[in-house]
Amino acid sequence: GEDVEQSLFLSVREGDSSVINCTYTDSSSTYLYWYKQEPGAGLQLLTYIFSNMDMKQDQRLTVLLNKKDKHLSLRIADTQTGDSAIYFCATRAGGSYIPTFGRGTSLIVHP
Amino acid sequence: DAMVIQNPRYQVTQFGKPVTLSCSQTLNHNVMYWYQQKSSQAPKLLFHYYDKDFNNEADTPDNFQSRRPNTSFCFLDIRSPGLGDAAMYLCATRRGRGGAGNEQFFGPGTRLTVL
Repeated sequence: GEDVEQSLFLSVREGDSSVINCTYTDSSSTYLYWYKQEPGAGLQLLTYIFSNMDMKQDQRLTVLLNKKDKHLSLRIADTQTGDSAIYFCATRAGGSYIPTFGRGTSLIVHP
Repeated sequence: DAMVIQNPRYQVTQFGKPVTLSCSQTLNHNVMYWYQQKSSQAPKLLFHYYDKDFNNEADTPDNFQSRRPNTSFCFLDIRSPGLGDAAMYLCATRRGRGGAGNEQFFGPGTRLTVL
């Protein structure tokens, strides 16, 4: 299987919460990231969490980390049409400067 | 202000005709990366530079080469593009090794079409 796995699609209604999930295999992952990619654009870092944390909140974004299960999630509260994009999960070991990316989850927000 | 700039944004080339993609940065970052991204796939690292030190991924085709003449600029040369090389090419930079807060900044990408 892939080192970082994500489901490919998620569809939500505007105003609802979105939860994008990610699992990873590398237990030495120290930093875990969420990137957003809008159509025709590069990847934009949304947020990241250290492996010694289990939650991080930043405005509408909440990141949850279950290190034991190697599971990372991104919750977007009050999802808006502008949140429609591809969301990439990525991990990085502390001694490395090469992150490992998932395949991305395409979030579709409909009215 | 743009920090990682890629030119052109869209490039069309013919099968077998060499093409060069350009990336520049205003961040003075040590590390520059080139990724290939195809639809519904993770960005695939092709190579990266730490300053002038070049690092080639083991599975990067020989058809792909890179140059970094100075801190600000990095080029991706595709010597003989095939149809399978059509993709989005992303350039990214990073300030240094290790640590938090030294994360990657990505450019907008160059969409390469091979006819």
